[in-house]
Amino acid sequence: GAVVSQHPSWVICKSGTSVKIECRSLDFQATTMFWYRQFPKQSLMLMATSNEGSKATYEQGVEKDKFLINHASLTLSTLTVTSAHPEDSSFYICSARFLEGDTGELFFGEGSRLTVL
Amino acid sequence: GQNIDQPTEMTATEGAIVQINCTYQTSGFNGLFWYQQHAGEAPTFLSYNVLDGLEEKGRFSSFLSRSKGYSYLLLKELQMKDSASYLCAALDSNYQLIWGAGTKLIIKP
Repeated sequence: GAVVSQHPSWVICKSGTSVKIECRSLDFQATTMFWYRQFPKQSLMLMATSNEGSKATYEQGVEKDKFLINHASLTLSTLTVTSAHPEDSSFYICSARFLEGDTGELFFGEGSRLTVL
Repeated sequence: GQNIDQPTEMTATEGAIVQINCTYQTSGFNGLFWYQQHAGEAPTFLSYNVLDGLEEKGRFSSFLSRSKGYSYLLLKELQMKDSASYLCAALDSNYQLIWGAGTKLIIKP
């Protein structure tokens, strides 16, 4: 099946620094990628929808200036957590939509666990 | 509003069969997904249903009834490695995934 690669898998950073997470679709072109965040023992929460060549669509309550999303090509989307703080520590997961006709299957990256000290 | 309901936790015995139910209410509907998620890992795709009926894939089967807003995931010949959370998610008219909170499945020997 289709493969989505996410990097890095683990990152630890100091408070106030910025962290970039990459999401790549390895064997298909993804016009749409999704970024999710998951806090411990909670469900995945959609943060934003990333469309190639246009601005991301953010969900209510997600600060677009804090979580910068860039989808510069059909195979790469990046999430930058700017000025990270301990409350931003979470599991961040990307997914890319593989379109086949009118239906689409989502493929997930491996996830990135961010710990902000 | 949009809503997905599924049980919080279920327990079953190794070798047995378990059915995890999911009901959904969404603005438009473009299909229903089941994902498996082990602790600390990303979800992995199990099934996608957009038409009514049963889709079988090895030990796992998924059923959909659009008129009832209902789906279930059926797991047969349970193995210990099937212990995980099972997430039900519906695709709405904007192709946004509406996620359930997940059902934690505990398998006992």
